[in-house]
Amino acid sequence: GENVEQHPSTLSVQEGDSAVIKCTYSDSASNYFPWYKQELGKGPQLIIDIRSNVGEKKDQRIAVTLNKTAKHFSLHITETQPEDSAVYFCAATTRGTHASGGSYIPTFGRGTSLIVHP
Amino acid sequence: GAGVSQSPSNKVTEKGKDVELRCDPISGHTALYWYRQSLGQGLEFLIYFQGNSAPDKSGLPSDRFSAERTGGSVSTLTIQRTQQEDSAVYLCASSPTTRGAITEAFFGQGTRLTVV
Repeated sequence: GENVEQHPSTLSVQEGDSAVIKCTYSDSASNYFPWYKQELGKGPQLIIDIRSNVGEKKDQRIAVTLNKTAKHFSLHITETQPEDSAVYFCAATTRGTHASGGSYIPTFGRGTSLIVHP
Repeated sequence: GAGVSQSPSNKVTEKGKDVELRCDPISGHTALYWYRQSLGQGLEFLIYFQGNSAPDKSGLPSDRFSAERTGGSVSTLTIQRTQQEDSAVYLCASSPTTRGAITEAFFGQGTRLTVV
């Protein structure tokens, strides 16, 4: 099955600095890579995603890059703000081997706790 | 509401008791997932439902865990004879994902289960 590694586990930055979170995956068949933000006491919420036919995607202060050859993808947050403080999860989605014909199951990294100091 | 709804939000149970956790997905979403999140850990896949197909149960940790989805909508996760290591936040997500198009999963707020 798919295996996703995420680093670092904790990231502390000053307000205004950039933050980078990196993930690697093992299954070359994975083709959808979402990033989720989880605030305390809430469920994860999608912030950006990228598909395997694209190398980079940007949405305001957030960007994601994908290197299919190396099987790694990264989240970049520029001009960080205190409200960016949260746990961030990467995921790789691949088609499973379930007998029903394929199940698309996101496999998540262990998360990065981002702390932005004012 | 427009989002995924889970109930209860918190559940404290005694070791050995059975518990049922409920998930109301977003209307029209064909895919439904259950994940488990232990303290400080990532999201561990438990089970996946897609339309009327047989569920993918490959993530269930033991035969004490089961889930069903009635009428392609509401899902219930049942844990029998709970143990202390079952304590975690159980997250449900739904998605309009089909075989031909993978899209994002929308998560509920989770049920925090504590086994004492």
